[in-house]
Amino acid sequence: AQSVTQPDIHITVSEGASLELRCNYSYGATPYLFWYVQSPGQGLQLLLKYFSGDTLVQGIKGFEAEFKRSQSSFNLRKPSVHWSDAAEYFCAVGTGGSYIPTFGRGTSLIVHP
Amino acid sequence: NAGVTQTPKFRVLKTGQSMTLLCAQDMNHEYMYWYRQDPGMGLRLIHYSVGEGTTAKGEVPDGYNVSRLKKQNFLLGLESAAPSQTSVYFCASSYGGDSASDTQYFGPGTRLTVL
Repeated sequence: AQSVTQPDIHITVSEGASLELRCNYSYGATPYLFWYVQSPGQGLQLLLKYFSGDTLVQGIKGFEAEFKRSQSSFNLRKPSVHWSDAAEYFCAVGTGGSYIPTFGRGTSLIVHP
Repeated sequence: NAGVTQTPKFRVLKTGQSMTLLCAQDMNHEYMYWYRQDPGMGLRLIHYSVGEGTTAKGEVPDGYNVSRLKKQNFLLGLESAAPSQTSVYFCASSYGGDSASDTQYFGPGTRLTVL
């Protein structure tokens, strides 16, 4: 069965600084990978996803993520964080033959002015 | 196009009471899901459905029942609420099919407190 680990429960950055949120997965074959964002009091919204092709994926709101098979990672990055990026971020993995994605426990992003 | 909607947004129950949470989607999606979200636990799948008239258990199904009588609706029931069911409940839907790259669309959530 697949699994997802988000090692950081909380991340604090200053506004304007760069951001990297870590995600590691466990699965034997090529996974399908997702990043979702949850603003306070809201549901989850898809930021980006990877399922084939270019390993560097561009998403909404200026986010990108890179799939690294050798490291079993799919880290989320943003070059310059805005105060409105403060939210909970979830990584998820889907696999061939299963339409039920597995979610990580989430990383809470705090942005200081 | 409202996407995924959930009713109600908030609810307070006493232990032993029953209630039904309603999820509706207008995107003609085949698959629908119910999750619960608890601090530090991420999202945990309760039940899901791959089409009208079908349901299946997820990771944490005990104490919950579901029904999918119409394609656009997915109901989550609590027959006898317990304090451990205090949580935020999210419904999601997806197009379905064979693609594991399918995107899930989430509702705004229902905050349930059981006293």
